[in-house]
Amino acid sequence: DGGITQSPKYLFRKEGQNVTLSCEQNLNHDAMYWYRQDPGQGLRLIYYSQIVNDFQKGDIAEGYSVSREKKESFPLTVTSAQKNPTAFYLCASSIVQGDSQFFGPGTRLTVL
Amino acid sequence: SQKIEQNSEALNIQEGKTATLTCNYTNYSPAYLQWYRQDPGRGPVFLLLIRENEKEKRKERLKVTFDTTLKQSLFHITASQPADSATYLCADTGGFKTIFGAGTRLFVKA
Repeated sequence: DGGITQSPKYLFRKEGQNVTLSCEQNLNHDAMYWYRQDPGQGLRLIYYSQIVNDFQKGDIAEGYSVSREKKESFPLTVTSAQKNPTAFYLCASSIVQGDSQFFGPGTRLTVL
Repeated sequence: SQKIEQNSEALNIQEGKTATLTCNYTNYSPAYLQWYRQDPGRGPVFLLLIRENEKEKRKERLKVTFDTTLKQSLFHITASQPADSATYLCADTGGFKTIFGAGTRLFVKA
């Protein structure tokens, strides 16, 4: 089965700690994306990658970092510099930039 | 700035009726718009894509229109069912950065 997975589903961290959210896809898609969703709000783009070893900042990249060393993997690190990290994080992929996006199940991050 | 706006008020309709959701864009002209469905606590699921040179696109009970004069896309669900209850998101993914609307919550009553 092809798809996109995110782990873990729920994540708790203490203030001041960095945490890495996993995103893996076996759809052979070139483009991958990270979004943040807050209650009652739409998805906001954090980072996106059009191809391996390349990524670009989205609208709210401050306090986040990513890497794209493999086509199938696009991990997101939430650093201690992110002032309000509690949110629902969604990873997505598409065949190429601009195509319809396939989303993972999301990771809900709570900072204690 | 470029914006995608959707009606933030929930839409309540009776089963069997047609649901119509609105997506307005401002300060630019997207090359195409996409519609997604999102259930609580889950990732969005792609439904339909419509290009600016297409007036209408259909898929089973779903229909999307794109009016470049009104700067608006309408999303219709005909013969609605309680299982159609969800949040529907409009998105412009044609540029370098994707822009999503906040979504409209649809409730279909049996």
